[in-house]
Amino acid sequence: AQSVTQLDSHVSVSEGTPVLLRCNYSSSYSPSLFWYVQHPNKGLQLLLKYTSAATLVKGINGFEAEFKKSETSFHLTKPSAHMSDAAEYFCDTLSLNSGYSTLTFGKGTMLLVSP
Amino acid sequence: AAGVIQSPRHLIKEKRETATLKCYPISRHDTVYWYQQGPGQDPQFLISFYEKMQSDKGSIPDRFSAQQFSDYHSELNMSSLELGDSALYFCASSLTNSPLHFGNGTRLTVT
Repeated sequence: AQSVTQLDSHVSVSEGTPVLLRCNYSSSYSPSLFWYVQHPNKGLQLLLKYTSAATLVKGINGFEAEFKKSETSFHLTKPSAHMSDAAEYFCDTLSLNSGYSTLTFGKGTMLLVSP
Repeated sequence: AAGVIQSPRHLIKEKRETATLKCYPISRHDTVYWYQQGPGQDPQFLISFYEKMQSDKGSIPDRFSAQQFSDYHSELNMSSLELGDSALYFCASSLTNSPLHFGNGTRLTVT
């Protein structure tokens, strides 16, 4: 079964500094991986997705993630944090059960951005 | 384009009451999912439907049921509500093996 592990429950950065949110996956074959963002009291918004077309995936709001098979990682990065990036970020994978896919969430990483 | 619509946005119920949450997926999406997110928790998968048939089942309590109708909207029915059912309930829709698009959720408070 596919699963993801988010290595940090909280990440704190200063505005203007780089962001790194870590995610490792476990899968016996090429996975479908996603990053979702959830702002306080809001729904879940898709940031980006990896579906084996390219290892470096660019998403919305300046975020990108690199799929590294050798490290089984799919870390989310952004060169310069903005105050509006403060939110919870979920790394997710599609799990297949009897041919149907279900999105499995990581535990989430809360990104805190200070002025 | 219109996204996934959930109603109501907020719902307050007392213990042992029932609640019905509604979800209207994006047009032409063939799969609907329900997730429950407790306070400070990651979303937990409850149940999904593909072409109006239940396709997968997660940690959905027996007190809950769901269905998808001919117009593809889905309803989550919750009975004998407990305090622990207080959570944000998300609906999402997708095309097969494509990313999920989430609604803004229904916040259920059980008092």
